[in-house]
Amino acid sequence: GAGVSQSPSNKVTEKGKDVELRCDPISGHTALYWYRQRLGQGLEFLIYFQGNSAPDKSGLPSDRFSAERTGESVSTLTIQRTQQEDSAVYLCASSSQGRANYGYTFGSGTRLTVV
Amino acid sequence: EDKVVQSPLSLVVHEGDTVTLNCSYEVTNFRSLLWYKQEKKAPTFLFMLTSSGIEKKSGRLSSILDKKELFSILNITATQTGDSAVYLCAVEIAGGTSYGKLTFGQGTILTVHP
Repeated sequence: GAGVSQSPSNKVTEKGKDVELRCDPISGHTALYWYRQRLGQGLEFLIYFQGNSAPDKSGLPSDRFSAERTGESVSTLTIQRTQQEDSAVYLCASSSQGRANYGYTFGSGTRLTVV
Repeated sequence: EDKVVQSPLSLVVHEGDTVTLNCSYEVTNFRSLLWYKQEKKAPTFLFMLTSSGIEKKSGRLSSILDKKELFSILNITATQTGDSAVYLCAVEIAGGTSYGKLTFGQGTILTVHP
């Protein structure tokens, strides 16, 4: 696609439910990143995928968070048993070669509200 | 631990003013520093800096990096209401197995009044 597409744009969920967020990167971009942005804060790195290599999960805050990506296509971020502290905007970015100067582009994010 | 600190956290100015936003960093293995503008959700790219002392310029915006003192500034001259946004500074770390992973500052909220 022309840009990084994320869905849904907004999600309200009850505490304890599982949610799944989707990111569709720019076609041909091998690297994909997930970030979390809490209200009034900068972006926190969550996870990085590069082609078929093992993902870098070092930023995932707890074992309730997981992400998958099949090849160089769509990625899903799953949050199990959501907590109110998970409320944030979840942003996805992709780049063509896993470098910040190779067309690193952000999606418009998913605003998650846990009530 | 890698750290990026921006100042001020917020700034209110009037149209036509000039502003300077600051970003300092402490990271293990610096590759590049990036500035983004965030108006709604998606940060949009402004500048990428890798070398000290070389100013990057785009219209009324300019930025420069000092790798000795570990900071960067973003200048906006003749501000307009459309410049109102959150400005994010991020540092890309070199090496390891993760490439393009960015460490962000907390952002500066700029408000430009007519």
